[in-house]
Amino acid sequence: GAVVSQHPSWVICKSGTSVKIECRSLDFQATTMFWYRQFPKQSLMLMATSNEGSKATYEQGVEKDKFLINHASLTLSTLTVTSAHPEDSSFYICSARDDRGQGWYTEAFFGQGTRLTVV
Amino acid sequence: GQQVMQIPQYQHVQEGEDFTTYCNSSTTLSNIQWYKQRPGGHPVFLIQLVKSGEVKKQKRLTFQFGEAKKNSSLHITATQTTDVGTYFCAGNSGGYQKVTFGIGTKLQVIP
Repeated sequence: GAVVSQHPSWVICKSGTSVKIECRSLDFQATTMFWYRQFPKQSLMLMATSNEGSKATYEQGVEKDKFLINHASLTLSTLTVTSAHPEDSSFYICSARDDRGQGWYTEAFFGQGTRLTVV
Repeated sequence: GQQVMQIPQYQHVQEGEDFTTYCNSSTTLSNIQWYKQRPGGHPVFLIQLVKSGEVKKQKRLTFQFGEAKKNSSLHITATQTTDVGTYFCAGNSGGYQKVTFGIGTKLQVIP
């Protein structure tokens, strides 16, 4: 199946610093990618929808200035956690749909996830 | 907004027993997808249901989509230790790219 690569798989950073997470679709193009956050033993909470060439659409309650999303190409979206604090520690996962699919009927492929720990 | 409820949140079964997780949406869905997430891993797509009343099987897994397209279930027959993980349903109301995930059902299989 299609592959979505997410990097890094884990990162530890100091409070106040910024962290960038990359999400790449390796063998397909994805105009739209999704960023999720998953707390321990909880479901995936959609943070934002990343659209190539335009601004991301953020879910209610997600600070757009804190979680910067850039979708610069059809195969790459990045999520930057700015001025990270311990409460931002979480598992962040991206997903993407193949543009050749049938829109919302197309399965989403997930990246491996990034475990962020802010100390 | 769209809400997707999933029960139970946790299920422990003896190896060989059957297991079922249920998903219920507050709105009519255009399709529903099921994912499995192993401990420490990322969600992996299992199947998608689109038609009202649809039933699909994958070996020991049976997926159903309700007639009203508001509920779905995943049934595993004769569970094995390899079935351990969290099973998520994810619903889509059509017209939107995003899906809404259920809270997931964590399955533990006791050998």
